[in-house]
Amino acid sequence: DQQVKQNSPSLSVQEGRISILNCDYTNSMFDYFLWYKKYPAEGPTFLISISSIKDKNEDGRFTVFLNKSAKHLSLHIVPSQPGDSAVYFCAALNGNKLVFGAGTILRVKS
Amino acid sequence: EAQVTQNPRYLITVTGKKLTVTCSQNMNHEYMSWYRQDPGLGLRQIYYSMNVEVTDKGDVPEGYKVSRKEKRNFPLILESPSPNQTSLYFCASSLSRPSPLHFGNGTRLTVT
Repeated sequence: DQQVKQNSPSLSVQEGRISILNCDYTNSMFDYFLWYKKYPAEGPTFLISISSIKDKNEDGRFTVFLNKSAKHLSLHIVPSQPGDSAVYFCAALNGNKLVFGAGTILRVKS
Repeated sequence: EAQVTQNPRYLITVTGKKLTVTCSQNMNHEYMSWYRQDPGLGLRQIYYSMNVEVTDKGDVPEGYKVSRKEKRNFPLILESPSPNQTSLYFCASSLSRPSPLHFGNGTRLTVT
């Protein structure tokens, strides 16, 4: 029972263009959502988050959008850079439990 | 430097031989957690701890034990490892509620 789903295993984008990573969730009790980035041979690192009372949060090139009615969130990266190539995990928080999606591999081509 | 340190980074063992993966954080965090990462399944929580002497099961606790005797350390114990525990393991910590988590660099475990 995957409560957090990232349906695209991979995404390839040209440098300078927008990358859009998507995430769907099923549990309406989630009240906080996060995106983590992971490079090979390293642990995930926190990227950006959003509370369930908001619909958008922006930090530099990264913007997260939350659509609660659709139980969907997305991460936009503009403009995409080769250094953004990594695995991106969506995560959702309910109380003290943080549930992760399966991840999306982003490749930014130069 | 603020960090979560896991040891060892790589471990190959045989079925049934008890092992411990250590985890230590130097940020005075109350919350600590263990995750395993498997292809197509993402990160799944094994156990977590809200504070010293307080631990609770995550989504996949079977075959694992943890202890939290000190705030900084949260070892993961496999009493009798089996091949289905071959995975990449991450320890993580945060100030209180698990957001955001700081992760260690991972331990790749192979059980033959």
